[in-house]
Amino acid sequence: GENVEQHPSTLSVQEGDSAVIKCTYSDSASNYFPWYKQELGKRPQLIIDIRSNVGEKKDQRIAVTLNKTAKHFSLHITETQPEDSAVYFCAASRAGRRALTFGSGTRLQVQP
Amino acid sequence: DADVTQTPRNRITKTGKRIMLECSQTKGHDRMYWYRQDPGLGLRLIYYSFDVKDINKGEISDGYSVSRQAQAKFSLSLESAIPNQTALYFCATSEPKNNEQFFGPGTRLTVL
Repeated sequence: GENVEQHPSTLSVQEGDSAVIKCTYSDSASNYFPWYKQELGKRPQLIIDIRSNVGEKKDQRIAVTLNKTAKHFSLHITETQPEDSAVYFCAASRAGRRALTFGSGTRLQVQP
Repeated sequence: DADVTQTPRNRITKTGKRIMLECSQTKGHDRMYWYRQDPGLGLRLIYYSFDVKDINKGEISDGYSVSRQAQAKFSLSLESAIPNQTALYFCATSEPKNNEQFFGPGTRLTVL
């Protein structure tokens, strides 16, 4: 089955700096790569996703890049703000009747 | 608004007791999932169901069972709870065409 590794487990940045979280996956047939944000005491929510036919996707201050050859994808947050502080999870899955496999999470702390 | 709900939200029980966690959704999604969240381990899949007649084991199904009573209801049971099942449990739903997961608010289970 799929295995997703996520690094780092914790990340502390100064407000206004950029943050990068990286994930690697094992199943070369995976083609869907979402990122979820979980604020303290709340449920995870999708913030951005990318499919394998695209190398990069942006949404305001958030971007995701995918390298299919190396089987890794990354989340980039620019101009970080205190409200970006949360746990971020990457995930991967194949198309069709497959469930998501999640990474172990990254706790991002943005220092004001 | 269409939503995913979980009951109870918090539960404290003793070793050996049978526990049922319930999940209901008004999103009209066919696919439902149960995850367990432990610190540093991310979201691990316990069971998933792609329709009422379809039940699949996830990566950590031992010690758990599920029932899909209707499209809108998916219950998770611990037949004989043990302390290492103490965790935060999330139910989620998704559509077949788009694997975005919509999570419930979570159930915090403590087994003494």
